[in-house]
Amino acid sequence: AQKVTQAQTEISVVEKEDVTLDCVYETRDTTYYLFWYKQPPSGELVFLIRRNSFDEQNEISGRYSWNFQKSTSSFNFTITASQVVDSAVYFCALSDSNYGGSQGNLIFGKGTKLSVKP
Amino acid sequence: DGGITQSPKYLFRKEGQNVTLSCEQNLNHDAMYWYRQDPGQGLRLIYYSQIVNDFQKGDIAEGYSVSREKKESFPLTVTSAQKNPTAFYLCASSIDGGRSYEQYFGPGTRLTVT
Repeated sequence: AQKVTQAQTEISVVEKEDVTLDCVYETRDTTYYLFWYKQPPSGELVFLIRRNSFDEQNEISGRYSWNFQKSTSSFNFTITASQVVDSAVYFCALSDSNYGGSQGNLIFGKGTKLSVKP
Repeated sequence: DGGITQSPKYLFRKEGQNVTLSCEQNLNHDAMYWYRQDPGQGLRLIYYSQIVNDFQKGDIAEGYSVSREKKESFPLTVTSAQKNPTAFYLCASSIDGGRSYEQYFGPGTRLTVT
């Protein structure tokens, strides 16, 4: 069955620390897409990144980086030199053919709440 | 400014009343989605629509209904049949229903039913 697991419920760090958020997924599909979203206290989910199953290159965007490893079915997210504004709930999501055909329905993990203290 | 609008931000209703949550997008996206979020939980799909005048049930459609008469609008009605309606409701849209496209979310409506 398709599933996304974010084992870390809450993480607390002090500003400027590096922090890694884990995401493990399960799927039978060979073609699938993985996403990360940020949900700040305001509630709106903000799209951060999309990765397809054929591209295992790691990606860096400023202080954010993502490590995709098909061998371990993981798509981990690292924030370098964390800041207070990074405090939010972060969701990992999977899009595959769970609902049949090419429909883009997302399967979400339960999220990791990150608190960055000054 | 392109985006998704949900109104109101907070909604209070008495048990037994139907309530409709608004979702409008001006991104010219074909696909739209409704999710429910409960405390400490991920998002669960209620309904989705890939095109005007068509919509499909998600994982937790019971007690909800939708319509898609216009491309930009996808209202959700929470009926009195929904046993636990108090939750945070998020609307999203994507370019089309393909699984490679990211979804963009509105600010959400927090519904409280007493």
